[in-house]
Order: sequence, then structure tokens, then C-alpha cells
Amino acid sequence: KNEVEQSPQNLTAQEGEFITINCSYSVGISALHWLQQHPGGGIVSLFMLSSGKKKHGRLIATINIQEKHSSLHITASHPRDSAVYICAVRSRHNTDKLIFGTGTRLQVFP
Amino acid sequence: DTGVSQDPRHKITKRGQNVTFRCDPISEHNRLYWYRQTLGQGPEFLTYFQNEAQLEKSRLLSDRFSAERPKGSFSTLEIQRTEQGDSAMYLCASSLAGRWTDNEQFFGPGTRLTVL
Repeated sequence: KNEVEQSPQNLTAQEGEFITINCSYSVGISALHWLQQHPGGGIVSLFMLSSGKKKHGRLIATINIQEKHSSLHITASHPRDSAVYICAVRSRHNTDKLIFGTGTRLQVFP
Repeated sequence: DTGVSQDPRHKITKRGQNVTFRCDPISEHNRLYWYRQTLGQGPEFLTYFQNEAQLEKSRLLSDRFSAERPKGSFSTLEIQRTEQGDSAMYLCASSLAGRWTDNEQFFGPGTRLTVL
């Protein structure tokens, strides 16, 4: 079992829909990242959080430390949101390396 | 552009050849990380540096792989005697680690390696 699991693996939506991507992890963490990866490979950091909730534009990220679960929400989705969204955690145990999920491929159709 | 840069962006090589990739971190960042991503998978950790010191290496980093950060600024990742299984995207990230920072990692565009 992977230490970081994401669901769903693939997601299609119509423009304007509300989207939720889930991330569960099994290790103790000091922080969790949500990352966006477009075709061509470049990774952009969307959020880094260790508790509660963060919002940036149409994106909202939440984390529940007790349940070891995080969600990324996209409100009013748009075709330009089409990308792979990756959850990554930073272990609490004296290391800075990130452990990544396999990603959720999102396609938003007009 | 003051972000993380990587060179080259693409590399095609024949099996058995050596390749070297370069990463230039954000200028004030003291930590630099290398990750590898194969098709359809999330990235996997390879190694990271604090300044010039290599602090951690993954078991994925076989003897054919070596990484350096000689002056605590740019880093190189060399793969000797490349194999087809080395074909992947090699990602570099950097961060500012310190008592009062959140140590967020920022990623470069990656180097895509294809071994024929």
C-alpha cells in the first residue's frame, strides 16, 4: 500500500462544476502539499498546509490531521484547470523529502 | 526568471552512455532536492542537499547515479551507463530551510530523459 493515496485517479467534469480530489496518507507528517502538473512536466505548488484550510482564488485545500486526510476543491471549474493534481506529504521524522501520490488527472470540458 | 531552472529540458541518449543534468535553484535557497518521475506515476525522492552537504539518498539511487552540489548553489545529477529503465522526468526543487521558514519546495521544469 502506498503511503499517499489519491482518489479518483481520473476525473472529467463539465465547465462550471465543483470538483473534489481526495488524499489519504499513512505516515506522520509535518506538512502536506497540493501540486499541479501540466503536460510537459512542470510542477507548480498550489498549497502547503499543516492544519485547517487555505483558499486561493477558486481553489480550496483542507486537511484533517487526526483522520490523515486532505481534500482539494475547485469551484466553478474551467478547461484551463485541466492538469494532473498531486498530493505530497513531508514526513515528520527528521527528513525533508516529499512522498507523492500518483496524481489525479482532471479534464474539464467546455 | 528567478525560479528553479534545469538544463537540458530534454535529453535523448543511447543505452550505455553517461548523461549529466544541471539544476540551478532559487538563489537564496539552501536546500536542493532531486526527484524522478516515470510515466503515469508520482515523483519519487532521489536525494537532497543542504548547502553542499548531501543529507539523504534514496535506495533508488544506485551506484550509477551521483549527485553533487559543490559550492552549495547549482547541482548536477550524473547517470553512468544509462539503461532504458532510467527513462523518466528528473525534477529538481529547492527550498529555504530555517527556523523561521516553512521550507516550501519550489520545482523546476524538469529534464526528460529518453534512453534508446
